[in-house]
Amino acid sequence: QLQLQESGPGLVKPSETLSLTCTVSGGSISINNYYWGWIRQPPGKGLEWIGSRYYSGSTYYNPSLKSRVTVSVDTSKNQFSLRLNSVTAADTAVYYCARHRFGSGFDYWGQGTLVTVSS
Amino acid sequence: DIQMTQSPSSLSASVGDRVTITCRASQSISSYLNWYQQKPGKAPKLLIYDAFSLQSGVPSRFSGSGSGTDFTLTISSLQPEDFATYYCQQSYITSALTFGGGTKVDIK
Repeated sequence: QLQLQESGPGLVKPSETLSLTCTVSGGSISINNYYWGWIRQPPGKGLEWIGSRYYSGSTYYNPSLKSRVTVSVDTSKNQFSLRLNSVTAADTAVYYCARHRFGSGFDYWGQGTLVTVSS
Repeated sequence: DIQMTQSPSSLSASVGDRVTITCRASQSISSYLNWYQQKPGKAPKLLIYDAFSLQSGVPSRFSGSGSGTDFTLTISSLQPEDFATYYCQQSYITSALTFGGGTKVDIK
């Protein structure tokens, strides 16, 4: 059974960089036709896609976040990561990692991790 | 970006009721539409992908329909475990994936 698990700091200061890692177990991140993505959800609000990356390099980012986001993949560790620069309080959210096929839904999700931006 | 509009934003229903949630896209997305269920404190769960395909393990009381701009999620007989928030999501443009605002289903 595929499992995804987010890890990283739960508190980030304004203007700094948010960094999270998603560890994939029970399957390979180097699987054909699947992308690895990040989605976030501010407290009490809806879902916002952040970005997705294929293991071999093809990457897509939310246009509204593109200037601040990097999603990378480490196939040797079976992990993928999120970096979000210059954070503000508006970036406070539960961050989820998830898998999806190109053109289809997110079928496996991590449990989510709350990141609070505050000094 | 493609805007996804769900209606209603919330509804109250009883166990056994037939429930219908609507999702409208701001432009045609063919059948690239997915539905999720989210319970408090939990990650979303994929219910329906590609507009009408039932994800493995999801009860058959859930069904999806539609194409183009108008889509529907139907729960044929609402069960106690179905009280949750439901989201639609378009996967037509992979460089700009978007979710609907959500529909909260609670107990009447």
